[in-house]
Amino acid sequence: QVELVESGGDVVQPGRSLRLSCAASGFRLSDFVIHWVRQAPGGGLEWVALISYDEADKRYADSVKGRFSLSRDNSKNTVFLHMDNLRLEDTSIYYCARDSDPGMLRGRLDPWGPGTLVTVSS
Amino acid sequence: DIHMTQSPSSLSASVGDRVTITCRAGQDITNAVAWLQLKPGKAPKLLIYAPSTIQSGVPSRFSGSGSGTDYTLTISSLQPEDFATYYCQEFYTIPYTFGQGTKLEIK
Repeated sequence: QVELVESGGDVVQPGRSLRLSCAASGFRLSDFVIHWVRQAPGGGLEWVALISYDEADKRYADSVKGRFSLSRDNSKNTVFLHMDNLRLEDTSIYYCARDSDPGMLRGRLDPWGPGTLVTVSS
Repeated sequence: DIHMTQSPSSLSASVGDRVTITCRAGQDITNAVAWLQLKPGKAPKLLIYAPSTIQSGVPSRFSGSGSGTDYTLTISSLQPEDFATYYCQEFYTIPYTFGQGTKLEIK
């Protein structure tokens, strides 16, 4: 069964760091582009970042550029979202999602994980 | 960034009703649109993309249409499990952007 599960969400103070994980099962994560999308409380969806299957291409939304970074550990079938200098407005549910076709950036996201909640609060 | 204007923001309907949700892009996105279903505490689900291809496992009561800047998601006969929030998403260019969402509630 193809599945993604996020973990690492927590309550943190502004300015602190956090690392989220996206673990895959049922397929090889290293074959696919992986995206992160977030949803603020009561808000809509915001695309955050992507990492290519070979880690050569990483892109970020302007709102997180310079503060968030992506890496992957193919031996653990896991992608990581490193979040530094967290702000109150980063409070969201963070979802990871797989791009649809192996080795390609299509932008059709399926499947998604159930999300992990990050709360930034003083 | 491409702005996606989705309407309505909320919709009240009954089981068996036909409902339509629309999305207008700020520029021609050449059918690079997807529709997602979100339920609280669950993984979002891709329903339809580009603009009328139905994702595997999605019931045939869901359909999509449109071209250029205007796209539509239709649910032909609402079922109880369809009450959720729906989002359009453009995948024409990064950063991908989403509509504001449509909350579909039981009348």
